[in-house]
Amino acid sequence: DAMVIQNPRYQVTQFGKPVTLSCSQTLNHNVMYWYQQKSSQAPKLLFHYYDKDFNNEADTPDNFQSRRPNTSFCFLDIRSPGLGDAAMYLCATSSPGQGSTEAFFGQGTRLTVV
Amino acid sequence: AQSVTQLDSQVPVFEEAPVELRCNYSSSVSVYLFWYVQYPNQGLQLLLKYLSGSTLVKGINGFEAEFNKSQTSFHLRKPSVHISDTAEYFCAVGKGTNAGKSTFGDGTTLTVKP
Repeated sequence: DAMVIQNPRYQVTQFGKPVTLSCSQTLNHNVMYWYQQKSSQAPKLLFHYYDKDFNNEADTPDNFQSRRPNTSFCFLDIRSPGLGDAAMYLCATSSPGQGSTEAFFGQGTRLTVV
Repeated sequence: AQSVTQLDSQVPVFEEAPVELRCNYSSSVSVYLFWYVQYPNQGLQLLLKYLSGSTLVKGINGFEAEFNKSQTSFHLRKPSVHISDTAEYFCAVGKGTNAGKSTFGDGTTLTVKP
């Protein structure tokens, strides 16, 4: 029944060592989002893909990149993680073209930087 | 621009008591309004949404919310809470049909005590 799946659930990475977080979906939604959520804060949108079109938020650091090789998968790449990048990373999907007015979230990946 | 204010950062309540989590928003255009719940180390789950029509919206787990346009509020209520309702609750306002680009409030931690 899982619809938006994030792997891994927990990721520990070293300071400065590139890391990739994965998200897959079985909903066939055309929009996929990545959010960063720091402790006790609201989710903050980093970027989203509308089909193949990448849309970056203005204040997303260059250290964060994303790839979407096909409809089902989307990756978040952090090129040089710093201690301040430790957070929960949430993937979500939606399908505005199909009249869907809500976003479906994965369970998140908790990133620890050591 | 849109913004969301959740008026209480923490709400402690005893089991079986009623609860109200308050949310105010500002937007210059018609909006979609959402309440999400987040359990520890989990993603966000949609509780309910207001798109149009009846101002009283019923959601999952016995929650409901009332849209008040004149007061720009969308307060979440439950007549009798359970221990299992202990979680973080986020109010969000969306613009247009791209639901994942919602603006989130800072969250309210609901703690239900026995």
